[in-house]
Amino acid sequence: GAGVSQTPSNKVTEKGKYVELRCDPISGHTALYWYRQSLGQGPEFLIYFQGTGAADDSGLPNDRFFAVRPEGSVSTLKIQRTERGDSAVYLCASSLNRRQECSRESNQPQHFGDGTRLSIL
Amino acid sequence: QKEVEQDPGPLSVPEGAIVSLNCTYSNSAFQYFMWYRQYSRKGPELLMYTYSSGNKEDGRFTAQVDKSSKYISLFIRDSQPSDSATYLCAMSPNYGGSQGNLIFGKGTKLSVKP
Repeated sequence: GAGVSQTPSNKVTEKGKYVELRCDPISGHTALYWYRQSLGQGPEFLIYFQGTGAADDSGLPNDRFFAVRPEGSVSTLKIQRTERGDSAVYLCASSLNRRQECSRESNQPQHFGDGTRLSIL
Repeated sequence: QKEVEQDPGPLSVPEGAIVSLNCTYSNSAFQYFMWYRQYSRKGPELLMYTYSSGNKEDGRFTAQVDKSSKYISLFIRDSQPSDSATYLCAMSPNYGGSQGNLIFGKGTKLSVKP
């Protein structure tokens, strides 16, 4: 399909393990966002990429969390030494941003994937 | 106090009713306001997107923004069972080429009974 694709859809692992979550944005979208959604809560921002670089990583909770987007398309969120509190749905979103324009009309909305449901046992 | 407050519900209405969903916020820098619909085990789906104050209508959905009161609303007319979902408000202060990060409410769970 043409939407944001996230894999795996579900991931169950043991405390202390390393996990990688993948996001394929909508083709041509230059901006990519990671959010985390706990049960009964709205999504919470983790990190935002414009192209290959992280433009804002202020939402990453600690240094166990890291994300990359080496070619400006697919992104991987990496979590080291997982803890039970990391259990949540990890959502990826992308948007088409026109950096050359500086007007409110160039501010494009974010489109989300269905997320990866991460469970740490 | 959280930046965005949204009553989590649940809200149950009969089919055909008018539904009113609301969020309040504290950050006067917010310029962009969105409503997302989220079905169970799915990602948020963009419904409405408005800039600054005013109303916007799209089919059965109307979004209102009152920046002076820091209050936004989503109205659903002639509600259908297929509208049963969690509705999330989201906002952003950013302007120009990027929205940066969105601030979401907790979401209101809506159930429309046939």
